[in-house]
Amino acid sequence: ETGVTQTPRHLVMGMTNKKSLKCEQHLGHNAMYWYKQSAKKPLELMFVYSLEERVENNSVPSRFSPECPNSSHLFLHLHTLQPEDSALYLCASSQASDEQFFGPGTRLTVL
Amino acid sequence: QKEVEQDPGPLSVPEGAIVSLNCTYSNSAFQYFMWYRQYSRKGPELLMYTYSSGNKEDGRFTAQVDKSSKYISLFIRDSQPSDSATYLCAMSDDKIIFGKGTRLHILP
Repeated sequence: ETGVTQTPRHLVMGMTNKKSLKCEQHLGHNAMYWYKQSAKKPLELMFVYSLEERVENNSVPSRFSPECPNSSHLFLHLHTLQPEDSALYLCASSQASDEQFFGPGTRLTVL
Repeated sequence: QKEVEQDPGPLSVPEGAIVSLNCTYSNSAFQYFMWYRQYSRKGPELLMYTYSSGNKEDGRFTAQVDKSSKYISLFIRDSQPSDSATYLCAMSDDKIIFGKGTRLHILP
């Protein structure tokens, strides 16, 4: 596959579940990002990894836990989420400057 | 004042018309300006990417940046129904800020 891929594409979970979102980029980039897109709100940057180190964490609740084991893979571990966490979660990657390339997103529903 | 302002629409125009999408911003430090297109149930895809002021053209799309007015625009010529999507502006200095997106409908 090419570009940025995300799995699963859709996820429904209860508030007590633990799940993980996966992102993989095939572009040779060295930075990866997690965004949250809620209805009627701008894209919210959650985490940034550069060279596999977390360089930004925008006051995201601890029930979201990112992991970047290498420059091609990014995970978002979820536990004890709330219904208001239901949203589209987008992964992106970049190399130089700020030209980010996005994955298709994971549509998350928390019951 | 929000850092980036973008009218959410929806904006409906007839097929073949010229579409003008706009964003205003408050942070004069922004240097990079982007437009993304997002189809329903898809992630945003980068359409145009410009650095500093000026125009950039790519096929039917033209991006304009006016840093003195803190105003950016995306023009779509000869609009097609397949252009119906949400268009997000984004800009950055050391971090990227997105607008809320404008929903565009091209009417056949």
